Order: sequence, then structure tokens, then C-alpha cells
Amino acid sequence: GQSLEQPSEVTAVEGAIVQINCTYQTSGFYGLSWYQQHDGGAPTFLSYNALDGLEETGRFSSFLSRSDSYGYLLLQELQMKDSASYFCAVSQAGTALIFGKGTTLSVSS
Amino acid sequence: EAGVTQFPSHSVIEKGQTVTLRCDPISGHDNLYWYRRVMGKEIKFLLHFVKESKQDESGMPNNRFLAERTGGTYSTLKVQPAELEDSGVYFCASSQDGGRRWTDTQYFGPGTRLTVL
Repeated sequence: GQSLEQPSEVTAVEGAIVQINCTYQTSGFYGLSWYQQHDGGAPTFLSYNALDGLEETGRFSSFLSRSDSYGYLLLQELQMKDSASYFCAVSQAGTALIFGKGTTLSVSS
Repeated sequence: EAGVTQFPSHSVIEKGQTVTLRCDPISGHDNLYWYRRVMGKEIKFLLHFVKESKQDESGMPNNRFLAERTGGTYSTLKVQPAELEDSGVYFCASSQDGGRRWTDTQYFGPGTRLTVL
């Protein structure tokens, strides 16, 4: 079967750094994406890794290791507005995204 | 640039009724996807259109679900007759096409929350 594993919940305080891990087991792999979803909203694209290494976009970074079938999303200088659900998703050459169950991040002051 | 839009935002129907969901993708996006999230579970793929053609409908749960994309613009997803287990949030996403680095970036709409009573 195909599966993505990520922690169900993470808590942190404002200003901290948090890392959300994602391990995947899929029949095909083209890249790993991360999405953010606030309650009742649209999943919003954050980042995409097709090659090994770190991609940085402002306060957010994403890492991929294809040999380990592993990636993570790193959020720095946490703000209250970062409280949301974060999903990793594997893409298989332009077709469906396969999603993890999501990680609920709660940021407190 | 307008994002992906979906209508309605919420729908409450009784078991056995019919519901039609609509998705308007980002203008110029050839790829259109439908996904569903059932309470407490992951977002799951339903089907993928490239323009007006169904590229992959392997995720459609059964023949009570019918998706169309006439003219390659907006898409509809009809559930007929609806069952209790169809309740969930139905997301639509769209993406551009053609060998760029961000080919696989899918942009999601806000979803339609369907409740079947």
C-alpha cells in the first residue's frame, strides 16, 4: 500500500523553531509537497522538493532525502498565525497527490 | 489572479438525494483534480482531468459519483444518490501543465463541506 506518516500534533511557543517530519512509502515518487490548512480553509501550497536537500522560503524550509524516503518541514520564528494543520503529500509524475493525515500545530504565546 | 473557487461552501442533504458540486479552476490550468477528506482521515484523491478528458478516475469510490468537465473549464461532481458515508469535505485543485519545475504544484479551493443526513 501507499502511506505517509507524520505526527498528529505538535505544540510550540511563539518565536520557537519546530520540525514536522514525514516518512513515505509509495509505489512511485516524483516529489514531496507541503501544504498548510487553517480551519475551514483551502490547503495552501508551501513548498515542493523533487531533489535531495533543503529548500528555503522565508521562515519555512523543507528538506528531502529520497534514499531515506523522508522529508521535513521546518518552521522558524513561529507566530500565532502559524497555528494550522500541515500536510505532506507525495506527487507521482503529474497525477494525484497522496496525502498524509496532517499535523496539527498549536502555537502559544 | 483569482484562485480556485468552489460552490457551494456547505451542503446539507438527506440520504438518497442528489447533490452537485462545482469547481472553477485557476484560469489557464489544464489539470483539475477532485479530492475528498472524510472526518479524521487523510485527503484522498478522487479523479484528475486534463482539459475535458478524464486522465485518472481510480479514486472514485463507486458509480454514484459522476464528474464532468465540459469544455475543459469548470467541473462538476455529482453524487446520486447520496449515502451517509459520502459526508466530508470535497476539495478541488488545479495545476498548470508542461515540464516546469513546479509542474506538480496543485492549488486548492476552499472545499465544499457535504453533510448527508
